[in-house]
Amino acid sequence: EAGVVQSPRYKIIEKKQPVAFWCNPISGHNTLYWYLQNLGQGPELLIRYENEEAVDDSQLPKDRFSAERLKGVDSTLKIQPAELGDSAVYLCASSSDRAEQYFGPGTRLTVT
Amino acid sequence: DQQVKQNSPSLSVQEGRISILNCDYTNSMFDYFLWYKKYPAEGPTFLISISSIKDKNEDGRFTVFLNKSAKHLSLHIVPSQPGDSAVYFCAVLNAGGTSYGKLTFGQGTILTVHP
Repeated sequence: EAGVVQSPRYKIIEKKQPVAFWCNPISGHNTLYWYLQNLGQGPELLIRYENEEAVDDSQLPKDRFSAERLKGVDSTLKIQPAELGDSAVYLCASSSDRAEQYFGPGTRLTVT
Repeated sequence: DQQVKQNSPSLSVQEGRISILNCDYTNSMFDYFLWYKKYPAEGPTFLISISSIKDKNEDGRFTVFLNKSAKHLSLHIVPSQPGDSAVYFCAVLNAGGTSYGKLTFGQGTILTVHP
């Protein structure tokens, strides 16, 4: 069974540029999560989807961050415009129940 | 306000000995507790979990203990192996409210197992 797929694995952009990350969850997993992980910290939830509905986006900075999961399968997270402080690893996870989440390898973003 | 704390940033043990990783939490609404393991350049991998109705769960070399009165959980690895060297995150699950189903992670503990 394929795991959670994320692309790109690495991205370097200049500040004020837009960037987008893509995630394809494990087949059959209805719940999809986007996390932010800063160096030396644990993952922090940005947004959680149940199918195509965003059921918890309270931690998503909506002035510059947006996300979508149009058909309830894969998802895109966008930052526009990026700031220096957005440099981090962006993790996608999926689950078929509310507890055990399976993570992708993440996208390491560097904003210069 | 950190709801989940792993107070030891790192732990070093000898191969064959026991590794004990600790985690403290503040919110009694948490009802499910998990440990994740992370290698460099990979996402966290689920390791073991425990429900709040239990105080111990064992899976091979890994055992998780939960002390609800102290709001403390620990992960024991016996015997430790060099391949166990990784970052270990504890995570807790919200049982209710607007954050139902949300996982909150600790900061992680870097475990190094020396041959």
